[in-house]
Amino acid sequence: NAGVTQTPKFQVLKTGQSMTLQCAQDMNHNSMYWYRQDPGMGLRLIYYSASEGTTDKGEVPNGYNVSRLNKREFSLRLESAAPSQTSVYFCASSEVRKTVSYNEQFFGPGTRLTVL
Amino acid sequence: SQQGEEDPQALSIQEGENATMNCSYKTSINNLQWYRQNSGRGLVHLILIRSNEREKHSGRLRVTLDTSKKSSSLLITASRAADTASYFCATVWGGSNYKLTFGKGTLLTVNP
Repeated sequence: NAGVTQTPKFQVLKTGQSMTLQCAQDMNHNSMYWYRQDPGMGLRLIYYSASEGTTDKGEVPNGYNVSRLNKREFSLRLESAAPSQTSVYFCASSEVRKTVSYNEQFFGPGTRLTVL
Repeated sequence: SQQGEEDPQALSIQEGENATMNCSYKTSINNLQWYRQNSGRGLVHLILIRSNEREKHSGRLRVTLDTSKKSSSLLITASRAADTASYFCATVWGGSNYKLTFGKGTLLTVNP
């Protein structure tokens, strides 16, 4: 099992360019997440998908869009990149049941994005 | 914000010593989790403690939870150089079982 995979590993964009970060998981999890990590800030939730076909905003959704393509894949799109979006982006997945609040999350290796 | 706060922000110890990190949070939780992040890598889940539990062990890890003080501690015993990493607490709270709220982390350095 590969777990959670992310592409690309590194990316440099110019202000105003667009790009899509890809994430896939092979653990048959129902829930997937996108976080950003900035120095000294911990992880902040951008968007999440509780199950296939649903997406919801997290703490910092402005400037981003997401697509839950199928149960395996969850992509994050920056339509018009800004320097403030320079960060490390992590995708995660978990198996969440409404009756059980465990939500142990499995993380991908991250994408380091620089916006000039 | 529900975000947890870890304390200390950084901790440096010698191999073989114990390391204790603390986490405080603001509102009632369903459970609290600890994660490790090695430099340049993703986070790895270490241990979960439910709101009705007070202590939990996993190998060299011991986690305590005091819901009256809204705090948790992570103890790593007999530390090794390989334990060098950032450690984050994360809480599951409120009506959503789906969202974790992470603290800012403690950077642990274990010197050989």
